Parts: sequence; structure tokens; C-alpha cells
Amino acid sequence: AQSVTQPDIHITVSEGASLELRCNYSYGATPYLFWYVQSPGQGLQLLLKYFSGDTLVQGIKGFEAEFKRSQSSFNLRKPSVHWSDAAEYFCAVEYGNKLVFGAGTILRVKS
Amino acid sequence: DAGVIQSPRHEVTEMGQEVTLRCKPISGHDYLFWYRQTMMRGLELLIYFNNNVPIDDSGMPEDRFSAKMPNASFSTLKIQPSEPRDSAVYFCASSLMGASTGELFFGEGSRLTVL
Repeated sequence: AQSVTQPDIHITVSEGASLELRCNYSYGATPYLFWYVQSPGQGLQLLLKYFSGDTLVQGIKGFEAEFKRSQSSFNLRKPSVHWSDAAEYFCAVEYGNKLVFGAGTILRVKS
Repeated sequence: DAGVIQSPRHEVTEMGQEVTLRCKPISGHDYLFWYRQTMMRGLELLIYFNNNVPIDDSGMPEDRFSAKMPNASFSTLKIQPSEPRDSAVYFCASSLMGASTGELFFGEGSRLTVL
């Protein structure tokens, strides 16, 4: 079955430091992959998506993600984290016109 | 433009009561999804509609749950009777072209507490 694994439940980084959130997927065909962000008390917002082509995709708010088929990974990165980036981040894979989400990674930013 | 609108934002009810959650999708979006979010199970898809027709309800936990979409601008998720294990945040999301090619726009959620 299609699944998404986010191995880190919590991550804490200092403001200004770089960030990488891990995501591994299980899917037989070429996956459509997404990263969403959820701020407290809010719904989810799309950060970026990968369908095909260039394996490095750019998103909103300065985020990027790299698709690596050999590692079944789609890690999210940001070179310099801002305090406003504190939120929960979800990786997702499309299957049968549905999104299957990972368990999420809570990002804390310390000043 | 207004986003996806859900009501109520918070609902506290007692076990056995009927709960109705409401959703107004973004105008022109043909797909509507209902998700449930809990600490234990994360985000689970309950059901989704295309052009007001339920396409996949395999995520609906049991017969106590039902969802309808009487027109393109309104959907409901009903729980009858409610149980404490139904406590969760329920999200509605809409999409122009479905999850496979497009972006899902989420509402702010309805937080349900069943005592």
C-alpha cells in the first residue's frame, strides 16, 4: 500500500540555521509528491509539489525539495529558517486521486 | 476570494448526540474532500466527491458517519450517534482538478469534542 514516512516527529532549529525535513514514500509508479504546512489552528497549505521533470522543486516561502528516486525520498529544505516557519509539516503522496499524508514533523524555531 | 469555509469551528457535545459539520468549497472547484486529524492516526481521508457525487468513501469509519453534497457549494458530514472516539479535527478541502494534478485548499477545520 502507498505510504509516507516522516521519521522525525519534532525538530528544533535555531533561527537563521538551515533546515531539512525528511520524507520517504512507498509507491510503485512515478509518484506525485507534495509538502504541506499547517500553522496552529489552521488548515493545511501547499508549499510545493513534484510531478515530473526537474528533481529539485521550488516552493513558496523559500522552501525547496529534492526528489530522489533511488532513495524513495522527497526531503524539504530551507537555507535559513525564520521564526514564522514554526509549524507542522506534512509530506504527501497522491494515490488514486487522493492524498496520503505522513504523520507530520513539528518544527520549533529557537531564537 | 473566500477560501473553504467550515462551520462550526468548535463543537462540544455529549456522547449519543448527532453532530453535523458543514463545508462550503471554493466556487468552481469540482472536488471536495473530508479529512479527519487525530494525534493517534494523523490525517485520514474519510470521503471525497467529484461534481457532487461521492467517489470514494472507503475511509468512512462506520455507519454512524455519513456525508452528503446536495449541490456544488455545500457539503455536510454527519455523525449519529457520536462517541468520544470521534473527537478530532475535521477538515474539508476542495480542489479544481483533484489530488492528482492540483492543489487541495483546506478549510480551518472543525474541532469536535465528544464527552
